[in-house]
Amino acid sequence: AQSVTQLDSQVPVFEEAPVELRCNYSSSVSVYLFWYVQYPNQGLQLLLKYLSGSTLVKGINGFEAEFNKSQTSFHLRKPSVHISDTAEYFCAVITQGGSEKLVFGKGTKLTVNP
Amino acid sequence: DVKVTQSSRYLVKRTGEKVFLECVQDMDHENMFWYRQDPGLGLRLIYFSYDVKMKEKGDIPEGYSVSREKKERFSLILESASTNQTSMYLCASPPTRGASSGNTIYFGEGSWLTVV
Repeated sequence: AQSVTQLDSQVPVFEEAPVELRCNYSSSVSVYLFWYVQYPNQGLQLLLKYLSGSTLVKGINGFEAEFNKSQTSFHLRKPSVHISDTAEYFCAVITQGGSEKLVFGKGTKLTVNP
Repeated sequence: DVKVTQSSRYLVKRTGEKVFLECVQDMDHENMFWYRQDPGLGLRLIYFSYDVKMKEKGDIPEGYSVSREKKERFSLILESASTNQTSMYLCASPPTRGASSGNTIYFGEGSWLTVV
């Protein structure tokens, strides 16, 4: 069975600073990886996903993530954050061609301060 | 764009009441999911459905049931609501080929349920 660990439950940063939200996963088979964002009082929307190919994946709103198979990580980065990036971010994993159950991490709350 | 609609955004119910949370998707998807979201616990899968009248338990099905009589509608039912079911409930649906093929899962806006 897969599992996802988001290493930081809360990350406070100042506006225009870089940020990295860390995600490690555990799986014995090939997986697809996702990052979702949840703005206050809203549902989740997809930021980016890794399916195959280049290990650096670019998403919406200037975010990118790097898949590292040897470290089983999929960290999310942004070089310069805005106040509007304040949200909760979820990393998720699913087995390729397997069960439809997407397994989520517990979330990282990013707070961008002026 | 795919739309997943949860008709009730905010509900307050009494302990012991029967509660229905409704979810509708407009893209003829076969798969639909109900998640529960709690602070510090992330999203946990309650039930999912592969097709009409087909359902499968997720990780935390106790105290819940589901109904899928039509393809576009997936209902979550709390037979006798309890205070520990106060939470945010999220409905989700991936395209027909499914999330395990790398497709994006689309979420509704969420239903905040408070049981008093």
